[in-house]
Order: sequence, then structure tokens, then C-alpha cells
Amino acid sequence: GAGVSQSPSNKVTEKGKDVELRCDPISGHTALYWYRQSLGQGLEFLIYFQGNSAPDKSGLPSDRFSAERTGGSVSTLTIQRTQQEDSAVYLCASRRAGSGYTGELFFGEGSRLTVL
Amino acid sequence: GENVEQHPSTLSVQEGDSAVIKCTYSDSASNYFPWYKQELGKRPQLIIDIRSNVGEKKDQRIAVTLNKTAKHFSLHITETQPEDSAVYFCAAFTFTGGGNKLTFGTGTQLKVEL
Repeated sequence: GAGVSQSPSNKVTEKGKDVELRCDPISGHTALYWYRQSLGQGLEFLIYFQGNSAPDKSGLPSDRFSAERTGGSVSTLTIQRTQQEDSAVYLCASRRAGSGYTGELFFGEGSRLTVL
Repeated sequence: GENVEQHPSTLSVQEGDSAVIKCTYSDSASNYFPWYKQELGKRPQLIIDIRSNVGEKKDQRIAVTLNKTAKHFSLHITETQPEDSAVYFCAAFTFTGGGNKLTFGTGTQLKVEL
């Protein structure tokens, strides 16, 4: 597609349930990032994928959070046993990588997660 | 790791006035500094960026300055208009063989009043 696509756009779940959020980056973008944005807050880094390298998971807030990227394209962010404090907008972004490219990140519209 | 601080958190200006947002960073290896604008309910979008080998960059009404020695950079918006109202995020980026993490500041809510 022309842009970064995320699904679902909205997700309401009950505390304790697992959720999966999907990100489809721009074709050809080898770098993929997940950020979390709580209401009125900044962009909190979660995880970064670059090609076939091991992901940078340094931003994941707990072991309930995990992410994978299959085939160097689509990524899934999984939150297990959701808690109310997980409620936020989860933003995915992709970037071309390699020398000569700008560092611009292209963001998706985000997945708004509400944990009741 | 990198730490980016951004000030002010909110900024209100009259239409036509200038607005300045300031950021500092901690990692001297950071070499690329973009600014993103996020309108209400929308995704963040890049508005201007600067690399560490440049001290200033302008694009129409917006400009960014970088002081590598002091590790701070600023966004300047002149002749502000109502459509400039949004949240602005600064960020610091390091291109390395390893992690290329983009660390964002906490954001500045800019309101341009008529």
C-alpha cells in the first residue's frame, strides 16, 4: 500500500485478555518501529526491527509485551494479560534504511487500545 | 541510552507571533534531529529535520537550529497561523550499525490564538 497500515484501528478488551495489533509497513522499508502514546503523552519507544538483525526490545515495559516481524514485512505486537494501564494508542512506523536515505519515519494511524 | 528533553510542554501564542520550542539531548553520537507535528487525532508527520553537520535549516516559515557543543536544538515558527496548532515532537536519532532508535521528546502543545 501507499502508507503504513495498522489494524485494528480500535480495540476494546477486558482486563486479563490478550490482544494482537498488526502493522503493515510501506513496501521496501526495512526498519519498523512500535511506539506507545498514552492520552496527552509523548511517544514511548517499544521495539525496533531492522532487516534480519535481532530486534531492539529495550523499550518493552514488561514481559507481557512481545512483537515479531515475519518475512521482514508485517509485524504483530502482542500484549498478554492486558491491564488498564496498557490503554493507549499504539503507533507503528517504518523507514527506509541504508546509506543515502533520510531518517524519516512514516507512521500509521495507530491502534487505540482500551482495557476495561 | 539517549534522553531527549523538550520545553515548554504547552505554548500559546497570538496569530502572527513567533513560536520557539527547545530540546536537549544526551548522546553525543546522535546525528540526526527531526521534528514531527501531530494534529489532533492524526498521525505524527515530519515537518523538518537537520543533520549534525549543519547548524541551521529553513523551510518557509519554519526553521531549526542545532548546537552540537551544547547538545540542544530548537524549532522556530514565524508568522504563526491557526493551522500551526498541534503537538510538536523533537527527536534524536543515531545511525549506527546496531540500534537506530529514534528517541522522542515529550511534546509541546502549541496553540495559536486568533
